[in-house]
Amino acid sequence: DQQVKQNSPSLSVQEGRISILNCDYTNSMFDYFLWYKKYPAEGPTFLISISSIKDKNEDGRFTVFLNKSAKHLSLHIVPSQPGDSAVYFCAASAQGGSEKLVFGKGTKLTVNP
Amino acid sequence: GAVVSQHPSWVICKSGTSVKIECRSLDFQATTMFWYRQFPKQSLMLMATSNEGSKATYEQGVEKDKFLINHASLTLSTLTVTSAHPEDSSFYICSARDLWGLNTEAFFGQGTRLTVV
Repeated sequence: DQQVKQNSPSLSVQEGRISILNCDYTNSMFDYFLWYKKYPAEGPTFLISISSIKDKNEDGRFTVFLNKSAKHLSLHIVPSQPGDSAVYFCAASAQGGSEKLVFGKGTKLTVNP
Repeated sequence: GAVVSQHPSWVICKSGTSVKIECRSLDFQATTMFWYRQFPKQSLMLMATSNEGSKATYEQGVEKDKFLINHASLTLSTLTVTSAHPEDSSFYICSARDLWGLNTEAFFGQGTRLTVV
């Protein structure tokens, strides 16, 4: 049973436009959510996180939105840049983030110049 | 951000031999380290969780006698793949978290590409 789902395996956007990556979860115990970016043959790099006490967290071009009632979160990248092309993983954890991370399958983002 | 160093970044070994992968937290104390495995076009699959000074907790389906994990200090964890077989070829990634600190995000090593021939 997949507790964290990223239903879009890939996304393609034009440079300068907004990229929106979506993530759904099923476990109501999850209360801490993270986004990671991964290039091929490298380890994931932490991008941004959000606790369930918030519904939005912003860091530069990256904003994460959390809709607890819908068990849905999204990552917005504005404006998108070619260097943002990578696989983005959504991850969730319980107990304020102290439990193990459960990852989605990832969404491959391609930003076209 | 915090730095986690994983070594080696790639290794080729013969079937039947053992391979050790190291994961070090360079600028923080990693109370917990996680070992993941990633198959092509798949998500990161957690293999085991290790807390410093205690035995690792393995996920269902992961053979603990085959994947030996040691977390002897707050800055070092090792994963040893024993009697490696070609089906063990994969990308292995460690991550470390400092649960005593303010941030609970995990920081990842660079990953190790293991090829068993």
